Amino acid sequence: AQSVAQPEDQVNVAEGNPLTVKCTYSVSGNPYLFWYVQYPNRGLQFLLKYITGDNLVKGSYGFEAEFNKSQTSFHLKKPSALVSDSALYFCAVRDNAGANNLFFGTGTRLTVIP
Amino acid sequence: DGGITQSPKYLFRKEGQNVTLSCEQNLNHDAMYWYRQDPGQGLRLIYYSQIVNDFQKGDIAEGYSVSREKKESFPLTVTSAQKNPTAFYLCASSTQALVNTEAFFGQGTRLTVV
Repeated sequence: AQSVAQPEDQVNVAEGNPLTVKCTYSVSGNPYLFWYVQYPNRGLQFLLKYITGDNLVKGSYGFEAEFNKSQTSFHLKKPSALVSDSALYFCAVRDNAGANNLFFGTGTRLTVIP
Repeated sequence: DGGITQSPKYLFRKEGQNVTLSCEQNLNHDAMYWYRQDPGQGLRLIYYSQIVNDFQKGDIAEGYSVSREKKESFPLTVTSAQKNPTAFYLCASSTQALVNTEAFFGQGTRLTVV
């Protein structure tokens, strides 16, 4: 069965420092991996995805994520955090075995401290 | 201006009442989805539809009903059988049934039982 784990409920980082939001997954086939961001009382905005190819994926707003098959991880990163990056981040996974669903993690709240 | 529109943004329901949440998209997407978001639980799939006049139950369909009479519209009815309906509801759509494409989300409807 597919599942996603975001081990940290909260991540705090100082403005200008690099940030990492962790995600590990479990799927029965090859994974399709996604990161979304949610601002208060808003819907989810797509950041980036990994389908195949290069393990380092670049997305919106300077975010990137690294796919690591051996560790079944897809951590979200940014070299220099901005206060405006403060939000709730969701990792999601779908395998290619046929299930038409996107499984979400429980979310990680990122706070960037000025 | 293309996108997904959910209405209303806030909705209050008395116990025992049915309420319907609206979701409209003008992205020409075939697939549409309803998710429920509760604090600390991520997003859980209620129903999804890949084509008009067809829909499938997700993980937490009990107490909910949907229809897909038009490609653009996928309303969700929260019935009196749903025992704990207070939550944030998110509608999403995608070009295919989430094979390798990201989902686009509406801004959400916050439902509160009073």
